[in-house]
Amino acid sequence: DAGVIQSPRHEVTEMGQEVTLRCKLISGHNSLFWYRQTMMRGLELLIYFNNNVPIDDSGMPEDRFSAKMPNASFSTLKIQPSEPRDSAVYFCASRDIGYTGELFFGEGSRLTVL
Amino acid sequence: EDQVTQSPEALRLQEGESSSLNCSYTVSGLRGLFWYRQDPGKGPEFLFTLYSAGEEKEKERLKATLTKKESFLHITAPKPEDSATYLCAANRNTGGFKTIFGAGTRLFVKA
Repeated sequence: DAGVIQSPRHEVTEMGQEVTLRCKLISGHNSLFWYRQTMMRGLELLIYFNNNVPIDDSGMPEDRFSAKMPNASFSTLKIQPSEPRDSAVYFCASRDIGYTGELFFGEGSRLTVL
Repeated sequence: EDQVTQSPEALRLQEGESSSLNCSYTVSGLRGLFWYRQDPGKGPEFLFTLYSAGEEKEKERLKATLTKKESFLHITAPKPEDSATYLCAANRNTGGFKTIFGAGTRLFVKA
């Protein structure tokens, strides 16, 4: 089975531009997490969904960030407008909703905002 | 506030030199304590889950243990290929199961 798939793997953009990161869940998983990782702050939970419904978005930094699950297998994280402080590696991870076990992570999207 | 704290931030060992990594947690409604390994440029990869105090899990040179306040990852006779960042995470029941991570311990094992 394919794992969690993220795109793009690398994104370099200029301040003020819109950035969209994409994530495809593992087939059969219906819980989706977005994390951001930096050297200073480690792995921060931004938002998570169960069955396409956002459960906790308290980690979303500000209104410039938004996340959606248009269907059960796909999610997007959008930053508009982007700022240099948004530079980080963004990971998505999925899990079976009925299972309290481990998360399965994608390879991450490294974002650099100039 | 829920918190997962790992120490030390970095650990340098000689090959064969055993040691332990610490993870202390204050999480209400804990439903699982996890250890992950992360290699540079990769996503975290699952190692162990512990659910109750006193529980232990082993895999090759790694053993994870859990008490009511902390977890340890013991590394016995490490090899250079064990060099990675080790992350501790806690599941909290908030209606869903929210997983929060510690900052990690960067392990360097020198041959």
